[in-house]
Amino acid sequence: GAVVSQHPSWVICKSGTSVKIECRSLDFQATTMFWYRQFPKQSLMLMATSNEGSKATYEQGVEKDKFLINHASLTLSTLTVTSAHPEDSSFYICSAQAPDHRDRSLNYGYTFGSGTRLTVV
Amino acid sequence: GQQLNQSPQSMFIQEGEDVSMNCTSSSIFNTWLWYKQDPGEGPVLLIALYKAGELTSNGRLTAQFGITRKDSFLNISASIPSDVGIYFCAGQLTTDSWGKFQFGAGTQVVVTP
Repeated sequence: GAVVSQHPSWVICKSGTSVKIECRSLDFQATTMFWYRQFPKQSLMLMATSNEGSKATYEQGVEKDKFLINHASLTLSTLTVTSAHPEDSSFYICSAQAPDHRDRSLNYGYTFGSGTRLTVV
Repeated sequence: GQQLNQSPQSMFIQEGEDVSMNCTSSSIFNTWLWYKQDPGEGPVLLIALYKAGELTSNGRLTAQFGITRKDSFLNISASIPSDVGIYFCAGQLTTDSWGKFQFGAGTQVVVTP
């Protein structure tokens, strides 16, 4: 249980184009999803919090017009990197939070997707 | 900015040895999570801690929520080669909304046969 599917697992795009990354909760409804960015050998940095049916909350320093987040359903959130540049190359990871996050079963804790390696050339 | 100090940054140990790592902060947390991340993969939750003083085990893993609520440790007993990876602590500040976590910088664990 508590599987989060992230797609694609890797993508290479040309500078100036846009890329969409999908995050799906497969067997539970995720009222909240989180998007993180991770540079090589560094920790995860929270970019934004995505709430179903409402606007995302962005962390300080994250450009909301560049990183568009849509959480149109309880099982899907998307991150679109617009007008991508080489400095946007990174590992992007989503996590999903089930309503019963206090369930002591690890399966319904904070579950991460497998990540998307974005390379902008 | 990052408010968690995770140490050590890396550990090189022999198979069978125990591993210990910790996270400390000057801030108070109400939840601590420990994750393991393999290269090119997303983090996998190992242990979740919700109460100060709580000691929780998951197989060979044991983690504790510090009494002061400002720290947590993770122990791995009798390490095996598959324990190789990067271990992250994550804490939720009492001042943050539910689900918003700060991550430590990670501890790289290398196990040699």
